[in-house]
Amino acid sequence: EDQVTQSPEALRLQEGESSSLNCSYTVSGLRGLFWYRQDPGKGPEFLFTLYSAGEEKEKERLKATLTKKESFLHITAPKPEDSATYLCAVQPMYSGGGADGLTFGKGTHLIIQP
Amino acid sequence: DAEITQSPRHKITETGRQVTLACHQTWNHNNMFWYRQDLGHGLRLIHYSYGVHDTNKGEVSDGYSVSRSNTEDLPLTLESAASSQTSVYFCASSESGQRIPFFGPGTRLTVL
Repeated sequence: EDQVTQSPEALRLQEGESSSLNCSYTVSGLRGLFWYRQDPGKGPEFLFTLYSAGEEKEKERLKATLTKKESFLHITAPKPEDSATYLCAVQPMYSGGGADGLTFGKGTHLIIQP
Repeated sequence: DAEITQSPRHKITETGRQVTLACHQTWNHNNMFWYRQDLGHGLRLIHYSYGVHDTNKGEVSDGYSVSRSNTEDLPLTLESAASSQTSVYFCASSESGQRIPFFGPGTRLTVL
Protein backbone atom coordinates (compact mmCIF):
# COMPACT_ATOMS: atom_id res chain seq x y z
CA GLU A 1 0.00 0.00 0.00
CA ASP A 2 1.31 3.42 -0.99
CA GLN A 3 1.92 5.77 1.94
CA VAL A 4 2.91 9.41 2.26
CA THR A 5 3.89 11.07 5.54
CA GLN A 6 4.48 14.79 5.80
CA SER A 7 6.24 16.62 8.60
CA PRO A 8 5.87 18.81 10.45
CA GLU A 9 2.07 19.05 10.57
CA ALA A 10 2.35 22.78 11.17
CA LEU A 11 5.19 25.27 10.96
CA ARG A 12 5.30 28.91 11.95
CA LEU A 13 8.18 31.03 10.61
CA GLN A 14 9.16 34.65 10.68
CA GLU A 15 9.33 36.44 7.35
CA GLY A 16 12.74 35.76 5.81
CA GLU A 17 13.38 32.64 7.96
CA SER A 18 14.21 29.77 5.60
CA SER A 19 13.13 26.19 6.34
CA SER A 20 12.24 22.83 4.79
CA LEU A 21 9.14 20.64 4.70
CA ASN A 22 9.55 16.87 4.56
CA CYS A 23 7.61 14.24 2.63
CA SER A 24 8.49 10.58 3.26
CA TYR A 25 6.94 8.00 0.99
CA THR A 26 6.63 4.28 0.30
CA VAL A 27 5.36 3.18 -3.09
CA SER A 28 5.75 0.01 -5.13
CA GLY A 29 7.20 1.98 -8.01
CA LEU A 30 7.31 5.75 -8.31
CA ARG A 31 6.09 7.40 -11.47
CA GLY A 32 6.11 10.88 -9.97
CA LEU A 33 6.08 12.85 -6.75
CA PHE A 34 3.90 15.94 -6.69
CA TRP A 35 3.81 19.09 -4.57
CA TYR A 36 0.69 21.21 -4.37
CA ARG A 37 -0.16 24.41 -2.52
CA GLN A 38 -3.63 24.79 -1.01
CA ASP A 39 -5.10 28.05 0.27
CA PRO A 40 -8.12 28.02 2.61
CA GLY A 41 -11.37 27.33 0.77
CA LYS A 42 -9.62 26.56 -2.51
CA GLY A 43 -8.51 23.55 -4.49
CA PRO A 44 -4.89 22.33 -4.55
CA GLU A 45 -2.67 24.31 -6.92
CA PHE A 46 0.04 22.38 -8.74
CA LEU A 47 3.64 23.37 -7.95
CA PHE A 48 6.08 20.65 -9.02
CA THR A 49 6.46 17.10 -10.25
CA LEU A 50 9.69 15.15 -9.61
CA TYR A 51 10.35 11.88 -11.38
CA SER A 52 13.72 10.53 -10.30
CA ALA A 53 16.08 10.63 -7.33
CA GLY A 54 18.43 13.60 -7.50
CA GLU A 55 16.00 15.75 -9.45
CA GLU A 56 15.41 19.32 -8.28
CA LYS A 57 12.92 21.96 -9.38
CA GLU A 58 12.60 25.61 -8.41
CA LYS A 59 9.90 28.23 -8.53
CA GLU A 60 10.47 31.63 -6.96
CA ARG A 61 11.29 30.99 -3.26
CA LEU A 62 10.48 27.26 -3.45
CA LYS A 63 12.79 24.38 -4.35
CA ALA A 64 11.75 20.74 -4.35
CA THR A 65 14.21 17.85 -4.16
CA LEU A 66 13.77 14.08 -4.36
CA THR A 67 15.56 11.02 -2.99
CA LYS A 68 14.49 7.37 -3.14
CA LYS A 69 12.63 7.68 0.15
CA GLU A 70 11.69 11.31 0.64
CA SER A 71 11.23 14.74 -0.85
CA PHE A 72 11.93 18.14 0.62
CA LEU A 73 10.29 21.45 -0.15
CA HIS A 74 12.78 24.16 0.73
CA ILE A 75 11.44 27.64 1.30
CA THR A 76 14.01 30.43 1.08
CA ALA A 77 13.36 33.83 2.65
CA PRO A 78 9.59 33.27 2.80
CA LYS A 79 7.01 36.04 2.66
CA PRO A 80 3.57 36.16 4.31
CA GLU A 81 1.97 35.30 0.95
CA ASP A 82 3.71 31.92 1.10
CA SER A 83 1.40 30.98 3.98
CA ALA A 84 -0.66 27.96 2.88
CA THR A 85 -0.96 24.22 3.32
CA TYR A 86 1.57 22.32 1.23
CA LEU A 87 0.53 18.87 0.04
CA CYS A 88 2.78 16.07 -1.14
CA ALA A 89 1.48 13.16 -3.24
CA VAL A 90 2.85 10.11 -5.06
CA GLN A 91 1.75 8.57 -8.34
CA PRO A 92 2.59 4.88 -8.72
CA MET A 93 4.40 3.50 -11.75
CA TYR A 94 2.19 0.52 -12.43
CA SER A 95 -1.24 0.67 -14.05
CA GLY A 96 -4.40 -0.68 -12.53
CA GLY A 97 -6.02 0.40 -9.31
CA GLY A 98 -6.00 4.06 -10.11
CA ALA A 99 -2.45 4.40 -11.38
CA ASP A 100 -3.00 8.01 -12.39
CA GLY A 101 -4.69 8.84 -9.13
CA LEU A 102 -2.51 10.28 -6.40
CA THR A 103 -1.93 9.18 -2.82
CA PHE A 104 -1.66 12.29 -0.67
CA GLY A 105 -0.06 13.10 2.64
CA LYS A 106 -1.98 15.10 5.21
CA GLY A 107 -0.12 18.29 4.45
CA THR A 108 2.02 20.85 6.27
CA HIS A 109 0.24 24.02 7.37
CA LEU A 110 2.77 26.84 6.95
CA ILE A 111 2.34 30.27 8.51
CA ILE A 112 4.75 33.09 7.71
CA GLN A 113 4.55 35.95 10.17
CA PRO A 114 5.52 39.47 9.06
CA ASP B 1 -9.10 30.07 -20.73
CA ALA B 2 -9.51 26.36 -20.16
CA GLU B 3 -10.59 25.48 -16.65
CA ILE B 4 -12.27 23.02 -14.32
CA THR B 5 -15.44 24.03 -12.48
CA GLN B 6 -17.53 22.42 -9.78
CA SER B 7 -21.12 23.06 -8.75
CA PRO B 8 -22.63 23.72 -6.39
CA ARG B 9 -19.85 25.21 -4.26
CA HIS B 10 -21.83 24.59 -1.08
CA LYS B 11 -24.62 22.09 -0.47
CA ILE B 12 -26.62 21.12 2.61
CA THR B 13 -28.76 18.01 2.40
CA GLU B 14 -30.49 15.50 4.64
CA THR B 15 -29.59 11.92 5.42
CA GLY B 16 -31.00 9.51 2.85
CA ARG B 17 -31.36 11.99 0.00
CA GLN B 18 -29.68 11.50 -3.37
CA VAL B 19 -27.14 14.22 -4.20
CA THR B 20 -25.22 14.88 -7.40
CA LEU B 21 -22.11 17.04 -7.55
CA ALA B 22 -21.09 18.37 -10.95
CA CYS B 23 -17.60 18.62 -12.43
CA HIS B 24 -16.90 20.19 -15.82
CA GLN B 25 -13.51 20.70 -17.51
CA THR B 26 -12.70 22.46 -20.74
CA TRP B 27 -9.14 21.16 -21.17
CA ASN B 28 -10.32 18.11 -23.15
CA HIS B 29 -8.51 15.88 -20.63
CA ASN B 30 -9.18 12.14 -20.84
CA ASN B 31 -8.58 11.48 -17.13
CA MET B 32 -10.92 12.74 -14.42
CA PHE B 33 -10.94 12.08 -10.69
CA TRP B 34 -13.03 12.69 -7.60
CA TYR B 35 -11.41 13.12 -4.18
CA ARG B 36 -12.74 13.93 -0.74
CA GLN B 37 -10.79 15.92 1.85
CA ASP B 38 -11.35 15.46 5.56
CA LEU B 39 -9.46 16.78 8.55
CA GLY B 40 -6.92 14.20 9.63
CA HIS B 41 -7.13 12.18 6.42
CA GLY B 42 -5.91 14.35 3.61
CA LEU B 43 -7.25 13.84 0.10
CA ARG B 44 -8.61 10.38 -0.73
CA LEU B 45 -9.56 9.03 -4.16
CA ILE B 46 -13.25 8.14 -4.60
CA HIS B 47 -13.67 7.33 -8.31
CA TYR B 48 -11.78 7.97 -11.51
CA SER B 49 -12.28 7.73 -15.26
CA TYR B 50 -9.81 7.39 -18.13
CA GLY B 51 -12.32 8.24 -20.84
CA VAL B 52 -15.93 8.22 -22.00
CA HIS B 53 -17.90 5.28 -20.57
CA ASP B 54 -14.91 4.27 -18.38
CA THR B 55 -15.30 4.43 -14.58
CA ASN B 56 -13.28 2.86 -11.77
CA LYS B 57 -13.48 2.66 -7.99
CA GLY B 58 -10.93 4.36 -5.83
CA GLU B 59 -9.93 3.95 -2.19
CA VAL B 60 -13.21 5.18 -0.66
CA SER B 61 -15.92 4.42 -3.25
CA ASP B 62 -18.68 2.92 -1.05
CA GLY B 63 -21.86 5.00 -1.28
CA TYR B 64 -20.71 6.90 -4.38
CA SER B 65 -21.13 6.44 -8.13
CA VAL B 66 -19.99 8.22 -11.27
CA SER B 67 -20.82 8.11 -14.95
CA ARG B 68 -18.90 9.49 -17.94
CA SER B 69 -21.05 10.23 -20.98
CA ASN B 70 -18.72 12.83 -22.52
CA THR B 71 -15.14 14.05 -22.15
CA GLU B 72 -15.98 17.24 -20.25
CA ASP B 73 -18.13 16.01 -17.35
CA LEU B 74 -17.85 13.55 -14.48
CA PRO B 75 -20.78 13.92 -12.06
CA LEU B 76 -20.49 12.32 -8.63
CA THR B 77 -23.67 10.86 -7.13
CA LEU B 78 -24.30 10.00 -3.50
CA GLU B 79 -27.12 7.48 -3.77
CA SER B 80 -28.32 7.88 -0.17
CA ALA B 81 -26.40 10.57 1.67
CA ALA B 82 -24.98 9.73 5.10
CA SER B 83 -23.52 12.03 7.76
CA SER B 84 -20.15 10.33 7.22
CA GLN B 85 -20.16 11.82 3.72
CA THR B 86 -19.99 15.37 5.05
CA SER B 87 -16.75 16.55 3.47
CA VAL B 88 -15.14 18.79 0.88
CA TYR B 89 -15.16 17.19 -2.57
CA PHE B 90 -12.60 17.98 -5.24
CA CYS B 91 -12.68 17.09 -8.88
CA ALA B 92 -9.46 16.88 -10.89
CA SER B 93 -8.46 16.17 -14.47
CA SER B 94 -5.25 15.28 -16.30
CA GLU B 95 -4.16 14.54 -19.83
CA SER B 96 -3.03 11.04 -20.66
CA GLY B 97 0.52 12.04 -21.56
CA GLN B 98 1.58 14.53 -18.89
CA ARG B 99 -0.55 12.94 -16.15
CA ILE B 100 -0.51 15.96 -13.83
CA PRO B 101 -3.90 16.33 -12.10
CA PHE B 102 -5.31 19.86 -11.93
CA PHE B 103 -7.97 20.47 -9.34
CA GLY B 104 -11.26 22.32 -9.25
CA PRO B 105 -12.30 24.74 -6.51
CA GLY B 106 -14.21 22.14 -4.47
CA THR B 107 -17.74 21.55 -3.18
CA ARG B 108 -18.43 21.66 0.55
CA LEU B 109 -21.16 19.13 1.32
CA THR B 110 -22.96 18.93 4.66
CA VAL B 111 -25.27 16.00 5.37
CA LEU B 112 -27.59 16.61 8.33
